[in-house]
Amino acid sequence: DAEITQSPRHKITETGRQVTLACHQTWNHNNMFWYRQDLGHGLRLIHYSYGVQDTNKGEVSDGYSVSRSNTEDLPLTLESAASSQTSVYFCASRGMNTEAFFGQGTRLTVV
Amino acid sequence: AQKVTQAQTEISVVEKEDVTLDCVYETRDTTYYLFWYKQPPSGELVFLIRRNSFDEQNEISGRYSWNFQKSTSSFNFTITASQVVDSAVYFCALNPLGAGSYQLTFGKGTKLSVIP
Repeated sequence: DAEITQSPRHKITETGRQVTLACHQTWNHNNMFWYRQDLGHGLRLIHYSYGVQDTNKGEVSDGYSVSRSNTEDLPLTLESAASSQTSVYFCASRGMNTEAFFGQGTRLTVV
Repeated sequence: AQKVTQAQTEISVVEKEDVTLDCVYETRDTTYYLFWYKQPPSGELVFLIRRNSFDEQNEISGRYSWNFQKSTSSFNFTITASQVVDSAVYFCALNPLGAGSYQLTFGKGTKLSVIP
């Protein structure tokens, strides 16, 4: 069965460190997304990609970057982790006429 | 710009009661998708329904039903005879289809607690 997986599931890092969260999907979807979930804010879009070599900023992109070198993967990088980036991160992929499929989430704590 | 408003932050009901979760959206696009997702305490996001803006028929799936009204820009979700397993955070989301957009804009969610 096709799936979308995130790793790690939990991560604790120190302020100022670079962190990369992995997202891998086997749906063969062109469209991939990163969201963060915070209490009182719901899910907010960080970055998205509509295909290989395509990346776009979302609503809360400051301090984050993504790259898309193949269809399956969209890693999210925190260039210099800050306490404000403590959150739960969700990756999603979507076909042209489908719902969005979400990974299990990554809980990131920046100390 | 698009926006989704879920005015109910938290709702508590007693088991077997009916409950309606409200969702109001804003978009300039005439063509769009609306979605509902469920997030149980385990944390994953579970897809419930997708509705195209051209299709205003209400939908029923077991104890779940959805009322889509374009005139009021609302896409409300009703759970009939609620059960403890319905306790979760529910998100409404919007995808305007203009300019080839595939991103979903989410509301802030409604936390539903079903008390036995």
